[in-house]
Amino acid sequence: DTGVSQNPRHKITKRGQNVTFRCDPISEHNRLYWYRQTLGQGPEFLTYFQNEAQLEKSRLLSDRFSAERPKGSFSTLEIQRTEQGDSAMYLCASSPHGQGGQPQHFGDGTRLSIL
Amino acid sequence: SQQGEEDPQALSIQEGENATMNCSYKTSINNLQWYRQNSGRGLVHLILIRSNEREKHSGRLRVTLDTSKKSSSLLITASRAADTASYFCATVISGNTGKLIFGQGTTLQVKP
Repeated sequence: DTGVSQNPRHKITKRGQNVTFRCDPISEHNRLYWYRQTLGQGPEFLTYFQNEAQLEKSRLLSDRFSAERPKGSFSTLEIQRTEQGDSAMYLCASSPHGQGGQPQHFGDGTRLSIL
Repeated sequence: SQQGEEDPQALSIQEGENATMNCSYKTSINNLQWYRQNSGRGLVHLILIRSNEREKHSGRLRVTLDTSKKSSSLLITASRAADTASYFCATVISGNTGKLIFGQGTTLQVKP
């Protein structure tokens, strides 16, 4: 069972640098979600793809953030000009299409630390 | 902003005891889901209960849903040390894309 895979697991960078994370969902899942989680909090929704189409973006996703899913398979999340407040765990999840919301399968996340 | 609030924020019990966690939410939902998260790991789906359901069981887990009170509870019976984790409720809002809106979670410690 190849679950959701996220790379890298940890990323440490200096403020102002750009970072990119990758998510490989479960192969037959056409829905892919990105969430952000800070310490002691629940995950917060960032954006959602159905196949290659980005269908919803949270107001949390400022113009420094961009996400892609070019062929409807893997996805990337890029943060430009990182800030201290971007330090968090970035989680990716995937699910099959289904009426009313299906259980989501999460990767182990990418922990971003901004120095 | 987060949809729900969970209570208690932290819970410490002895192995073998039952653990109950509560979740409240604000808007009409399509379904409510519970997830577990071990430290430094991703979330694992536990159980999904639809808005027209009142109770659901899965192994040692029992979930109830009261849509009139906009609340849910998760009961873990005969707890084990391996149940030590954070537990989150998450709602899927009616007519939505399936995105999850999470509560702040309950941290459960089960002492051997």
